[in-house]
Amino acid sequence: QKEVEQNSGPLSVPEGAIASLNCTYSDRGSQSFFWYRQYSGKSPELIMFIYSNGDKEDGRFTAQLNKASQYVSLLIRDSQPSDSATYLCAVTGQETSGSARQLTFGSGTQLTVLP
Amino acid sequence: NAGVTQTPKFRILKIGQSMTLQCTQDMNHNYMYWYRQDPGMGLKLIYYSVGAGITDKGEVPNGYNVSRSTTEDFPLRLELAAPSQTSVYFCASSSARRSNQPQHFGDGTRLSIL
Repeated sequence: QKEVEQNSGPLSVPEGAIASLNCTYSDRGSQSFFWYRQYSGKSPELIMFIYSNGDKEDGRFTAQLNKASQYVSLLIRDSQPSDSATYLCAVTGQETSGSARQLTFGSGTQLTVLP
Repeated sequence: NAGVTQTPKFRILKIGQSMTLQCTQDMNHNYMYWYRQDPGMGLKLIYYSVGAGITDKGEVPNGYNVSRSTTEDFPLRLELAAPSQTSVYFCASSSARRSNQPQHFGDGTRLSIL
């Protein structure tokens, strides 16, 4: 059973600070990693995806992947109150397996950015 | 720019009733998925489809059925509704080009079984 673990939070940061969200996964063969943002009562929306070790930056968001440690993180710079949401980490299976296109989700980290 | 459309948005069922949750996408995606999300939890995969006529079970398929007669539509059927099926249901789709294509989600159906 593949597992994706996230700290449930809540995580509170002041406006303008860096928010750091972490995720670990159990399947060493996992290939693709996604971060979704979910506002209360809404559907998940894609924030970032990363496939290769290292950092990937998109605006205020940076995804970091370390496959050796089975760890993926999301950094949000200059956090805004509008970033307050639950952030879901999702992981696919191995490329050659039947689960390559199935996402396993963590339970999410609730982030609150304080004005 | 419809994307993934789910109907209904809300529904209350009595125990033992049945219903079909509708999902349609206009992005010509081969892959479609049904998830459920219980309060404070992540999404769990119920069923998925890799194309018309092909479906397979996910992590939590018991109590549900699906069909995929067209590329666009992927309905989820609940037979003999039980209180444990009270949840928010999300449908998603993705391109078949590579496994690293992100999934696009509908707005969800909030279902209560009383």
